[in-house]
Amino acid sequence: LAKTTQPISMDSYEGQEVNITCSHNNIATNDYITWYQQFPSQGPRFIIQGYKTKVTNEVASLFIPADRKSSTLSLPRVSLSDTAVYYCLAVKTGANNLFFGTGTRLTVIP
Amino acid sequence: NAGVTQTPKFRVLKTGQSMTLLCAQDMNHEYMYWYRQDPGMGLRLIHYSVGEGTTAKGEVPDGYNVSRLKKQNFLLGLESAAPSQTSVYFCASSYGAPNYGYTFGSGTRLTVV
Repeated sequence: LAKTTQPISMDSYEGQEVNITCSHNNIATNDYITWYQQFPSQGPRFIIQGYKTKVTNEVASLFIPADRKSSTLSLPRVSLSDTAVYYCLAVKTGANNLFFGTGTRLTVIP
Repeated sequence: NAGVTQTPKFRVLKTGQSMTLLCAQDMNHEYMYWYRQDPGMGLRLIHYSVGEGTTAKGEVPDGYNVSRLKKQNFLLGLESAAPSQTSVYFCASSYGAPNYGYTFGSGTRLTVV
């Protein structure tokens, strides 16, 4: 399984844009980059997935450069309710399961 | 549409007791998973199933058994609970392979004393 590396924790003030970078030097050409969000006392929630370039939905944007060695999850104008752990995963097409690391704990400060 | 429902939400067991955790999904998903989450450890895969009647071992299967007799249900059993199995257990399901995205339940907090 391709390993991803992301910061252990980040702090941000309310209203700021937050960018969480994930390194994945050895992902395969058919791997997807997927991000999950986990609030305290809840299961993780799928938020966004991409293969290359940029993907945007109502929650976040995902930027993947051409070399695909890293990716960046962008959360626009965070609020206190965005305080959560964010997991970056490399998902192999056709794989049977996912490997979750320890994620990035984002704390939004008033 | 309930999604993924886990039963029970909380349980305290004595060492050596047995119990079964139930996971039910109403989305007609083929794949189902059991993870455990310990402080500072992230989520670790215990067992998973890629369809009714199938099961496979994950990263940390020892001390657990599973069954998938019906497509909508995935049971996790602890035959003889140990304090090391104190954890939060999450069930997840997926339409197909993981690139379709997982839907997680709200978790079962198990304490073994």
